[in-house]
Amino acid sequence: GAVVSQHPSWVICKSGTSVKIECRSLDFQATTMFWYRQFPKQSLMLMATSNEGSKATYEQGVEKDKFLINHASLTLSTLTVTSAHPEDSSFYICSARALHTGHYYEQYFGPGTRLTVT
Amino acid sequence: TQLLEQSPQFLSIQEGENLTVYCNSSSVFSSLQWYRQEPGEGPVLLVTVVTGGEVKKLKRLTFQFGDARKDSSLHITAAQPGDTGLYLCAGLGAPYGNNRLAFGKGNQVVVIP
Repeated sequence: GAVVSQHPSWVICKSGTSVKIECRSLDFQATTMFWYRQFPKQSLMLMATSNEGSKATYEQGVEKDKFLINHASLTLSTLTVTSAHPEDSSFYICSARALHTGHYYEQYFGPGTRLTVT
Repeated sequence: TQLLEQSPQFLSIQEGENLTVYCNSSSVFSSLQWYRQEPGEGPVLLVTVVTGGEVKKLKRLTFQFGDARKDSSLHITAAQPGDTGLYLCAGLGAPYGNNRLAFGKGNQVVVIP
């Protein structure tokens, strides 16, 4: 299957600083990538959909000025959490969409990034 | 309202037993994907089902897509401790269109050695 990497796998930062998380599709090109947030013992919550070369589409309630998304190439999307606060502490997971040979889409997920804001 | 309902939410069984978990919806999906997620990791894609009535097998895991493409099941034969994890189903289609997945809350499976 297709491989998606995320970096860093975990990060601790101080309140008020910014943190950038990278998501890469390693063996396929992804015109569309997704960013999710997951709280303990809960399912995935979609934050935004990112299309290469265009602005991201944010879900309702997600602050676009706080969670900056850049999808500059077909293999790289970044999420920057600006002016992080303790309530931003969470598990962030990116996903990349690939077109299967059977002409349907499949989504592959990265390993996730654990963000802790102190 | 949850678009995809997964049941049971939690299941604990002994090694060697069989189990079936379900993913149900009132909506029709163009495709449905099953993932397994372990603590602290991202979901790993197990299978994608596309055709109504389709059955796919992955070693001891059998996935079935309902005839109407509204529901799916996952059956594990002779479960092993390595099968422990959160099983997530995710559908592509109405009402979100083909641009994003709708996720269920997951089936937490624990296989006791």
